[in-house]
Amino acid sequence: GAVVSQHPSRVICKSGTSVKIECRSLDFQATTMFWYRQFPKQSLMLMATSNEGSKATYEQGVEKDKFLINHASLTLSTLTVTSAHPEDSSFYICSANPLSEGDTEAFFGQGTRLTVV
Amino acid sequence: KQEVTQIPAALSVPEGENLVLNCSFTDSAIYNLQWFRQDPGKGLTSLLLIQSSQREQTSGRLNASLDKSSGRSTLYIAASQPGDSATYLCATGGYKLSFGAGTTVTVRA
Repeated sequence: GAVVSQHPSRVICKSGTSVKIECRSLDFQATTMFWYRQFPKQSLMLMATSNEGSKATYEQGVEKDKFLINHASLTLSTLTVTSAHPEDSSFYICSANPLSEGDTEAFFGQGTRLTVV
Repeated sequence: KQEVTQIPAALSVPEGENLVLNCSFTDSAIYNLQWFRQDPGKGLTSLLLIQSSQREQTSGRLNASLDKSSGRSTLYIAASQPGDSATYLCATGGYKLSFGAGTTVTVRA
């Protein structure tokens, strides 16, 4: 299957700092990538849709100024958590589909465990 | 808004027993349904994708069925092994997925 690589896998940062998470599609191009957040023992919640060359689309309740998304190329999307606070501590996962939409299989990165202290 | 439910939340079985994991969804107008495996602290591994026009998919010891009219999908894992211990998630949507909370499976040796 297609490979999506996410880095870093784990990061600890101080309150008030910013953290950047990268999501790369290694063997396919993705005009659209997706960012999810997962709290312990809970399901994944879609945060935003990252669109190559245009602005990201955020789900209701997600602060776009806190979670900055950049999709500068067909193989890379980045999520920056700005001015991080302890409540931002969570597991962040990205996904991409080899086609932009439709009946296609979603492939996920390894996830990033963010801890804000 | 699509709501996806997985029951049970946790399951413990002895090695060799067959596993049956259930997934239900409220909106039957789905593009596809996908089953994933998640190990602790890790990302998601895609197991099976059932297109909206299909009724089941099989891969090795895994078989997943889809009944859109009743809003249900079932994942069967035959002859379970300790290595099958993980959380299994179902999701539906097309490219924007709605996930269930998962079923955490423990297979006892």
